[in-house]
Amino acid sequence: DAKTTQPTSMDCAEGRAANLPCNHSTISGNEYVYWYRQIHSQGPQYIIHGLKNNETNEMASLIITEDRKSSTLILPHATLRDTAVYYCIVRVAGASGSRLTFGEGTQLTVNP
Amino acid sequence: EPEVTQTPSHQVTQMGQEVILRCVPISNHLYFYWYRQILGQKVEFLVSFYNNEISEKSEIFDDQFSVERPDGSNFTLKIRSTKLEDSAMYFCASRPSGAYEQYFGPGTRLTVT
Repeated sequence: DAKTTQPTSMDCAEGRAANLPCNHSTISGNEYVYWYRQIHSQGPQYIIHGLKNNETNEMASLIITEDRKSSTLILPHATLRDTAVYYCIVRVAGASGSRLTFGEGTQLTVNP
Repeated sequence: EPEVTQTPSHQVTQMGQEVILRCVPISNHLYFYWYRQILGQKVEFLVSFYNNEISEKSEIFDDQFSVERPDGSNFTLKIRSTKLEDSAMYFCASRPSGAYEQYFGPGTRLTVT
């Protein structure tokens, strides 16, 4: 799985968009970008994933650069409940076992 | 919305004892996982399970650990002869066939004294 780099922490004002970057410059053509988050002491929660096109669901949007070397997770209107550690994970979909390898992630703090 | 459930939420055991952590995956899911998170550290993969056998395991998952799907709904992690360093949150996850996102349970906090 390709290595990812994320900022250690970020702050965002409640109601504003939170833009969380992730660098994955060694990503391979068949590797997807996945985003999960972990609210304090809870189980990780799947947010969104994509291959090369931008994706949107009810939780967030995922913007992947054309060269696929970086991506941004966008929470359009952050709330206090979005305070969590956000993990960017790059892996081949359907790989044997399909384990997730969690890094340190980005601690997002949404401030009132 | 279907959820992965785990019991107990907190388990305290003495060193050397055996514990069984239980999980009920989402009902139509076919792939099952255990992860653990030692306090203040990263979430670590332990094992994946499909079609009644282990499909992948990490170096952490040694002979002390075993998994089982004893019936059509439960998925268990057994830790034999627990050690102090086994103290952690243990998360179960599942995913359906044809999709690759995993859905995690709330975790069991295991405390070994």
